[in-house]
Amino acid sequence: EVQLVESGGGLVKPGGSLRLSCAASEFTFNKAWMSWVRQAPGKGLEWVGRIKSKTDGGTTDYAAPVKGRFTISRDDSKNTLYLQMNSLKTEDTAIYYCSSLPRRWSQGTLVTVSS
Amino acid sequence: DIVMTQSPDSLAVSLGERATINCKSSQNVLYSSNNENYLAWYQQKPGQPPKLLIYWASTRESGVPDRFSGSGSGTDFTLTISSLQAEDVAVYYCHQYYTTPYTFGQGTKLEIK
Repeated sequence: EVQLVESGGGLVKPGGSLRLSCAASEFTFNKAWMSWVRQAPGKGLEWVGRIKSKTDGGTTDYAAPVKGRFTISRDDSKNTLYLQMNSLKTEDTAIYYCSSLPRRWSQGTLVTVSS
Repeated sequence: DIVMTQSPDSLAVSLGERATINCKSSQNVLYSSNNENYLAWYQQKPGQPPKLLIYWASTRESGVPDRFSGSGSGTDFTLTISSLQAEDVAVYYCHQYYTTPYTFGQGTKLEIK
């Protein structure tokens, strides 16, 4: 069974940093274009950013609210996706999902930005 | 950015009746080179991640009951549940993966009447 398992969520102060990881199994990770999607408490789904497969250039795209603060990377040797989040704001508080949109989604990890 | 607008925001339907959710994109999401609409539908229940129901606008994901169907092309799409079951109570989202920034509809909350 395909699994995407996240780690790294938690409580961080405004202005702080956090790195999320997403480990993939039973899945051709190195060929997948991977995204991060977030969902603020009680709100809808918001795409955060995407990284293409290395064979397709490995480039990244970001949503406007996170551009310049968040960085997506991947380590295909470890089947792992990363989201480095810097200069965090209270409005970044959300459950963060990794996904190979549209099909596979992780269970999500909560990031809370609060003083 | 492509804006996805769902209607209605909420919907109450009797068990066994049909439920219809609409989704309109502000731009075309049909890719002419492969004639596919880059449009998906998800179901989300409280405390769970979104579950893919439909992709390419009308292709049912494996394991999804056949009471769920998707239709439409270009900018107008519909998710239909032919005979509502109690376990279908959830929030439903449409999603375009045609171009970044990928975007989602605001969600439609489906309840039992």
